Amino acid sequence: GAGVSQTPSNKVTEKGKYVELRCDPISGHTALYWYRQSLGQGPEFLIYFQGTGAADDSGLPNDRFFAVRPEGSVSTLKIQRTERGDSAVYLCASSPRGNEQFFGPGTRLTVL
Amino acid sequence: EDKVVQSPLSLVVHEGDTVTLNCSYEVTNFRSLLWYKQEKKAPTFLFMLTSSGIEKKSGRLSSILDKKELSSILNITATQTGDSAIYLCAVVRLPGSGYALNFGKGTSLLVTP
Repeated sequence: GAGVSQTPSNKVTEKGKYVELRCDPISGHTALYWYRQSLGQGPEFLIYFQGTGAADDSGLPNDRFFAVRPEGSVSTLKIQRTERGDSAVYLCASSPRGNEQFFGPGTRLTVL
Repeated sequence: EDKVVQSPLSLVVHEGDTVTLNCSYEVTNFRSLLWYKQEKKAPTFLFMLTSSGIEKKSGRLSSILDKKELSSILNITATQTGDSAIYLCAVVRLPGSGYALNFGKGTSLLVTP
């Protein structure tokens, strides 16, 4: 079956702009996670959704970052007033129960 | 704060060699430790180790959890060029985050022909 998909695969933007990154989880997976991976680092937790609600957003670095999952399926990560330090690969993962996470291919964000 | 430290950070071996990758962790409430393989972008799941399942094996790959030493190893025998990847170790974060993971920096493995 289809895996986790993320769009766009690459996004180049200018400093100060607003971006949206989309994640389509595996159908039926109730848990959804966003991670950010900088060059040479492991993925860093951002936010966790259980159904429609953000159960844990403690990993969001500041209030420029926000994520939604209005119908408990697709999720959108939103970044306002982008900064060069936001450049990274943004990974989304979904899970049926939480213990095994299936990752998408990520969105590579470049802020110029 | 939970910590995951992997070593070595990078490794180059010849095809056919056996490699051992290391992961040490500090967590407040241990739940499970996971290994992932990352070839391009998406990490793919290899193993999950818990208090009740401290040893896992799949083909040429195996992993052991040492709860006393707070560490885990990932062994790959008879390495192949297709094993070249970044290997990530992660522990489950504190309760409240579902099964959100804290990752180490990874070990970059290059297997040469």
